[in-house]
Amino acid sequence: GAGVSQSPRYKVAKRGQDVALRCDPISGHVSLFWYQQALGQGPEFLTYFQNEAQLDKSGLPSDRFFAERPEGSVSTLKIQRTQQEDSAVYLCASSLAFSGTYEQYFGPGTRLTVT
Amino acid sequence: DQQVKQNSPSLSVQEGRISILNCDYTNSMFDYFLWYKKYPAEGPTFLISISSIKDKNEDGRFTVFLNKSAKHLSLHIVPSQPGDSAVYFCAASAKGGSEKLVFGKGTKLTVNP
Repeated sequence: GAGVSQSPRYKVAKRGQDVALRCDPISGHVSLFWYQQALGQGPEFLTYFQNEAQLDKSGLPSDRFFAERPEGSVSTLKIQRTQQEDSAVYLCASSLAFSGTYEQYFGPGTRLTVT
Repeated sequence: DQQVKQNSPSLSVQEGRISILNCDYTNSMFDYFLWYKKYPAEGPTFLISISSIKDKNEDGRFTVFLNKSAKHLSLHIVPSQPGDSAVYFCAASAKGGSEKLVFGKGTKLTVNP
């Protein structure tokens, strides 16, 4: 079946612009995660949804970052007034809830470059 | 404060030999550990995992060992193949939490033909 898809794959934004990144999880996956991966680092957790409920947003770096999943499937990560330090790859992952294995399936990521 | 540490940024081995990738963690609440493999311009792909109640899990050429007392795990790949060349991430999840994964910085494995 289809895996996790993300769009756009690449985004260049000028400093101060708003951006919206989209994630389509695997059909039927209840849990959805967003991670940020800076160059040379591992992915870092941003936020977590179970269906449409955002249960953990402890990793969002500032109030410029906002995520939503209104119908429990597609999710959007929005970054307002982008800064150069926001340049990174944004990864979306989904998983079956309560599977006991914590295995998450990742999309290809969106590479955001803020100039 | 890095809760999951991969102290070797890179590793180079010959085809057919064993690759050993190491990972250390500091959080005693971690109860599940995973290894992901990542090729350039792709998302991480799940490779193998282990629960904290086990000390070994094997899947084909891949074996993960967990030493809870030392807070250390390792991934063994044998025999190594050129297609195994990728960045390998160790990740951990804590019980009772949101199932979020905490990743190390990764180790770039190069398998030379």
